[in-house]
Amino acid sequence: NAGVTQTPKFRILKIGQSMTLQCAQDMNHNYMYWYRQDPGMGLKLIYYSVGAGITDKGEVPNGYNVSRSTTEDFPLRLELAAPSQTSVYFCASSYEADSYNEQFFGPGTRLTVL
Amino acid sequence: GQNIDQPTEMTATEGAIVQINCTYQTSGFNGLFWYQQHAGEAPTFLSYNVLDGLEEKGRFSSFLSRSKGYSYLLLKELQMKDSASYLCAVRDFSQAGTALIFGKGTTLSVSS
Repeated sequence: NAGVTQTPKFRILKIGQSMTLQCAQDMNHNYMYWYRQDPGMGLKLIYYSVGAGITDKGEVPNGYNVSRSTTEDFPLRLELAAPSQTSVYFCASSYEADSYNEQFFGPGTRLTVL
Repeated sequence: GQNIDQPTEMTATEGAIVQINCTYQTSGFNGLFWYQQHAGEAPTFLSYNVLDGLEEKGRFSSFLSRSKGYSYLLLKELQMKDSASYLCAVRDFSQAGTALIFGKGTTLSVSS
């Protein structure tokens, strides 16, 4: 199993550009999450999905969009990049969202918006 | 509201024992996780507590007191490779997606 994979690992965008951060998992997990991590700050939830076709907002969704057409894939879309979106983005997945089920994290995407 | 507090930084020496504390306030507590995160890498799962008491896993132990909103991670026989950030996270069923609420992390530096 590859676990949770993310592409790209690094990206530099100009203000106003758009891009899609890719995330895939091969563990047949129902739940998938997108977090951002800023220096000295905790991970903040952007969007999550409880299964194919179902997504919802987290704590900091503004400026982002997601889709979940398959169980495996959960891409994150930035439409009009802003410097405030400079961050490290982590995708995570879990089988369920209760009790022991831990979240497995991907390696992250480091995004810089200039 | 939801709030998780843990120390920003700690230092220790090889072979020593270190305790990283975490206090939390949440509306719908449904378990507490500890994750380890090496610089530039993804968080990896260390431990989970949902009932009061101590959970031991090799050199790592985690304790929970729900009535006090308190947990600690205990690392024994410290090694250089334990230098990392340790994240306390609470699962809160009142949050969107029963999400994990993360603390800001404790950066542990282990010296020889």
